[in-house]
Amino acid sequence: QKEVEQDPGPLSVPEGAIVSLNCTYSNSAFQYFMWYRQYSRKGPELLMYTYSSGNKEDGRFTAQVDKSSKYISLFIRDSQPSDSATYLCAMSSSGGYQKVTFGIGTKLQVIP
Amino acid sequence: GAGVSQTPSNKVTEKGKYVELRCDPISGHTALYWYRQSLGQGPEFLIYFQGTGAADDSGLPNDRFFAVRPEGSVSTLKIQRTERGDSAVYLCASSSRDRPYEQYFGPGTRLTVT
Repeated sequence: QKEVEQDPGPLSVPEGAIVSLNCTYSNSAFQYFMWYRQYSRKGPELLMYTYSSGNKEDGRFTAQVDKSSKYISLFIRDSQPSDSATYLCAMSSSGGYQKVTFGIGTKLQVIP
Repeated sequence: GAGVSQTPSNKVTEKGKYVELRCDPISGHTALYWYRQSLGQGPEFLIYFQGTGAADDSGLPNDRFFAVRPEGSVSTLKIQRTERGDSAVYLCASSSRDRPYEQYFGPGTRLTVT
């Protein structure tokens, strides 16, 4: 079993829809949770960063962490075609040096 | 440029050859990471540098892989006796000491071993 599980999709939604992306994990030591966006043939780009449980909002993006269920989510409101990319969840147990464990990534397509 | 740069962008080599992949991090970033991303997978940690020293090389798959960062800036990932299974995108990232969770990735080097 992988430490981080993520549905690879693909996920297709119409423009303007609310998108929900999720990951589960097994390592209870994880305390730092990130979401990265990766366009084709590009490096990952950090979208959101959350420490421990709770919610964090940044514009159209909301990250949620439920440590009791070992479940994290990323919500995208008013999705745009430019949001079409692969979304990677990532986790770390350390707040200093960050050895990050990534999910497989979910491929999202927003259809105009 | 302001971002992480990696060279070459693409590298095709024959099985058994030696390759070097270069990473130039963001100026002033003390931490540097190497990851490997195979097709359809997330990035997989290889090695982490804080300054000039490798603080954690637990992700290197075997002794054919080696990385250096002699002056605490540019890093080179070296792969000896390449195998077809080494084909992947090799990503480099860097972060600052005060915001270690913000890892900035380069575009990667796509390595193909024929």
